[in-house]
Amino acid sequence: DTAVSQTPKYLVTQMGNDKSIKCEQNLGHDTMYWYKQDSKKFLKIMFSYNNKELIINETVPNRFSPKSPDKAHLNLHINSLELGDSAVYFCASSIGGDPTEAFFGQGTRLTVV
Amino acid sequence: AQSVAQPEDQVNVAEGNPLTVKCTYSVSGNPYLFWYVQYPNRGLQFLLKYITGDNLVKGSYGFEAEFNKSQTSFHLKKPSALVSDSALYFCAVRVLYGNNRLAFGKGNQVVVIP
Repeated sequence: DTAVSQTPKYLVTQMGNDKSIKCEQNLGHDTMYWYKQDSKKFLKIMFSYNNKELIINETVPNRFSPKSPDKAHLNLHINSLELGDSAVYFCASSIGGDPTEAFFGQGTRLTVV
Repeated sequence: AQSVAQPEDQVNVAEGNPLTVKCTYSVSGNPYLFWYVQYPNRGLQFLLKYITGDNLVKGSYGFEAEFNKSQTSFHLKKPSALVSDSALYFCAVRVLYGNNRLAFGKGNQVVVIP
């Protein structure tokens, strides 16, 4: 069974479109994250949710809106896509509180044309 | 601010030789340090972590890392590299108390030459 799963794996879309990336974890974790990996492979946190509540919101444009319907899901909706949004987006989950490792999904490669 | 640095961009090593990937950290308080590996077109996989206790931490796939407080380092090591170890390796540190947000280093590309 996949621990953290993201869909879709690849997403190619035109500028100005709105798209969503879905993430689900079956590990029973209470904290989920979205990370962005740019073309130089830099990884940076975007959002963190704990028990469906937003904990971290880094300096991310308002066009990015995470939604957590329950603690097993954290979706990422992006409005008015721009060329600079092209990246690989990783979902992750962990047990909140103690410093345990985070488990990552396979990533979604978003290409905006 | 909590951060880690990976000074090298790429590490080349011959198959069978020892592999070392360097990481130094800058934290206030006790550091919680992690190593992840990313194979091509894959997500990150956890290798090992240092929270407390023994300075030598053993992890997956034969990797280990040594926590050195005086040198503020947490280098990843493997005694004998395999071609299949060729991947991107990330050092990370937990940033906030009570939250597992990770700050990653820039990553090191490891190339194991047959």
